[in-house]
Amino acid sequence: QKEVEQDPGPLSVPEGAIVSLNCTYSNSAFQYFMWYRQYSRKGPELLMYTYSSGNKEDGRFTAQVDKSSKYISLFIRDSQPSDSATYLCAMNPTGGGNKLTFGTGTQLKVEL
Amino acid sequence: NAGVTQTPKFQVLKTGQSMTLQCAQDMNHNSMYWYRQDPGMGLRLIYYSASEGTTDKGEVPNGYNVSRLNKREFSLRLESAAPSQTSVYFCASSEIYTYNEQFFGPGTRLTVL
Repeated sequence: QKEVEQDPGPLSVPEGAIVSLNCTYSNSAFQYFMWYRQYSRKGPELLMYTYSSGNKEDGRFTAQVDKSSKYISLFIRDSQPSDSATYLCAMNPTGGGNKLTFGTGTQLKVEL
Repeated sequence: NAGVTQTPKFQVLKTGQSMTLQCAQDMNHNSMYWYRQDPGMGLRLIYYSASEGTTDKGEVPNGYNVSRLNKREFSLRLESAAPSQTSVYFCASSEIYTYNEQFFGPGTRLTVL
């Protein structure tokens, strides 16, 4: 079993929809939770970064962490075609150093 | 600023051939990384360099070697390429203590026949 599980999709939604992307994990030591966005044939870029439990909002994006359930989510409000990309979750324990553990990514397509 | 640059963008090798993937960053970051990305496997760390002069193995180091040439440059070498090394390779960099925020290059698409 992988330490981080992520549904690969593809997930197809109409423009303006609220999107929910999720990851589950098994390592209770994970404390840092990141969402990276990867456009087709490009490198990933950091989108959101949270520490421990709770919510963090940045514009149309909200990251949510539920450590009791070992479950993290990324919500996208008012989704746009430009949000079409693969979203990778990544995690790291305190003291984990440079070794991030990535999910496999969920492919999202926002259609006009 | 160019950020993280990688050369070449594409490469086709025959089994047993060798090659070096080049990576450079202009953000004055201390830490640099090499990942491979395969369908269904996600990003997997091959090697990283926490700071100039140091390198460490990641999750999948077998078949690869790295060199931290200076603070800007970090190269990945395949000594004897195998079809299992067909993948997309990404270089990344970060500040030494903010390693959760990594900046990625555009990738090198490598096919080994």
